[in-house]
Amino acid sequence: NAGVTQTPKFQVLKTGQSMTLQCAQDMNHNSMYWYRQDPGMGLRLIYYSASEGTTDKGEVPNGYNVSRLNKREFSLRLESAAPSQTSVYFCASRGQSNYNEQFFGPGTRLTVL
Amino acid sequence: KNQVEQSPQSLIILEGKNCTLQCNYTVSPFSNLRWYKQDTGRGPVSLTIMTFSENTKSNGRYTATLDADTKQSSLHITASQLSDSASYICVVSDYTGGSYIPTFGRGTSLIVHP
Repeated sequence: NAGVTQTPKFQVLKTGQSMTLQCAQDMNHNSMYWYRQDPGMGLRLIYYSASEGTTDKGEVPNGYNVSRLNKREFSLRLESAAPSQTSVYFCASRGQSNYNEQFFGPGTRLTVL
Repeated sequence: KNQVEQSPQSLIILEGKNCTLQCNYTVSPFSNLRWYKQDTGRGPVSLTIMTFSENTKSNGRYTATLDADTKQSSLHITASQLSDSASYICVVSDYTGGSYIPTFGRGTSLIVHP
């Protein structure tokens, strides 16, 4: 079991460029999440998908789009990157039970110049 | 609005010493509280979960407590080791009846010095 995997691990973009962060899980989880983590801010929810075929906005969705491609994969797209999107991005997944924990990927460190 | 506050923001202790991290929350209706450990450069990993009826739960040298009346939790680390250096995040969940959207604290950064 690989758990939650994310690609790439590191990325540097110029302002205005676009890119897609990939996330996949092999635990057959229904729910998947995208967070960003900035120094002193903690983890903030960007988007989540409660089940295959559904996506919803979180606390900080502006500038991002997501796609729940299938049950395993949940991608995050930056259409026109801005320096304010420099952050570490974490994908997480969770099973169905109310007490199930979220399993996090290793993160993608993104720098926008 | 649901909120989770953690203290202290950072803590430095010597190897072998004990420490206690605090978490206060205003999440309603309360479902459960988790403590996560996040090593530098990695994703958070769950240490323990506390439900409404639980007061204390241990996981090795980690002991979590919950006071649902005062809406406070603590994480006590006994006989600290260098590998305990990490950020500890308190995460509280409510019963939304639908999607699971937990509320995260900002974390306590713990540094253990030899």
